[in-house]
Amino acid sequence: QSALTQPASVSGSPGQSITISCTGPSSAFGDYNYVSWYQQHPFKAPKLMIYDVNNRPSDVSDRFSGSKSGNTASLTISGLRAEDEAHYYCSSYTNTNTILFGGGTKVTVL
Amino acid sequence: QVQLQESGPGLVKPSETLSLTCTVSGGSINSYYWSWVRQSPGKGLEWIGYIYYSGRTNYNPSLKSRVSISIAMSKTQFSLKVNSVTTADTAVYYCARILRLGDPLDIWGQGTVVTVSS
Repeated sequence: QSALTQPASVSGSPGQSITISCTGPSSAFGDYNYVSWYQQHPFKAPKLMIYDVNNRPSDVSDRFSGSKSGNTASLTISGLRAEDEAHYYCSSYTNTNTILFGGGTKVTVL
Repeated sequence: QVQLQESGPGLVKPSETLSLTCTVSGGSINSYYWSWVRQSPGKGLEWIGYIYYSGRTNYNPSLKSRVSISIAMSKTQFSLKVNSVTTADTAVYYCARILRLGDPLDIWGQGTVVTVSS
């Protein structure tokens, strides 16, 4: 199964907004809304940031938001802060209930 | 507060079997899905598979021939075995929880490093 496609890196200045895209096959995104996003700081376990395309766990800042259009999902970080510098991974279920991850995007705060 | 903790050998020889256990504490292992994910050095996340508390499994097609996941509910543990390992199996291995099929991996262990080397 092919991984989901993300840009290798995205950068922005403090206070700005950035968007990370995630493109996948129709067998993954299709009519499903099982898209999630994870944040990973160096040498740490991934942390769930967004699930079901645009829902946030209670401990995640509302500066993080998600969306999906067709076979592309997006994560937007508003009001960028230094602590947002990390790798971000998108993930989706497929039509055979397996799980795909994107290759990861490194977010740099300039 | 549910917590997950991976354990197992940090060094495995090529062609041998990698075996890891994830211990669930602070909550029940019943009614949920339990997953393994790995991350090779400097690389992204790779889903390995998951097991339902009933024992039903689903694996990454690229690893399916070498991987098995089992569950020991009495011990609130689930385990991973990877057969015939090579250096490409060197990675940090994470265990994680899925509440229902379609849900995200919401709770993760801290990860354990496994190196395949002679």
